[in-house]
Amino acid sequence: QQKVQQSPESLIVPEGGMASLNCTSSDRNVDYFWWYRQHSGKSPKMLMSIFSNGEKEEGRFTVHLNKASLHTSLHIRDSQPSDSALYLCAANTNAYKVIFGKGTHLHVLP
Amino acid sequence: GGIITQTPKFLIGQEGQKLTLKCQQNFNHDTMYWYRQDSGKGLRLIYYSITENDLQKGDLSEGYDASREKKSSFSLTVTSAQKNEMAVFLCASSINRNTEVFFGKGTRLTVV
Repeated sequence: QQKVQQSPESLIVPEGGMASLNCTSSDRNVDYFWWYRQHSGKSPKMLMSIFSNGEKEEGRFTVHLNKASLHTSLHIRDSQPSDSALYLCAANTNAYKVIFGKGTHLHVLP
Repeated sequence: GGIITQTPKFLIGQEGQKLTLKCQQNFNHDTMYWYRQDSGKGLRLIYYSITENDLQKGDLSEGYDASREKKSSFSLTVTSAQKNEMAVFLCASSINRNTEVFFGKGTRLTVV
């Protein structure tokens, strides 16, 4: 049972464009979300975390969280070809574990 | 900072073989994880451990065993390798469920 669902599976944006990725948890016990980025052949690395309702911005990256709907989104403005990667959403659970979604493949075209 | 070391980097096994993957971390983290990643897909949790000698099953535990003899090490055993188990196994650690998870570089398993 996949408790962290991501959409879309794949996303193509032009260089300089805005990429928007979505993630929802079906587990009401989740209280932290993370976004990880994984370049091809590498391990995932954390981009941003969020646990409060609202928005958090770091450079070109903005994360939103709606705790009532357990929905988070990641927005990348001025997308660069180097942003092309697999983006993974993660959430904690009340069972002391962190689970990941299936990911969104982002392709930024020069 | 710290590092998570996984050995071996590449593992080739035969169908039906028992195979062991090892992981060491020097972050002094309490929680350790084993995830499986099939090509280009997300991460599926196999086993995790919240402290030394603790073991908890993830969603994909069938066909695997794990062992956490020390705080710094966590090993995973594939009890009987199957043809469809060509994947990358990622070891990870964190302070607890509310903190960032750090990953090792992975063990790539191929079953022939």
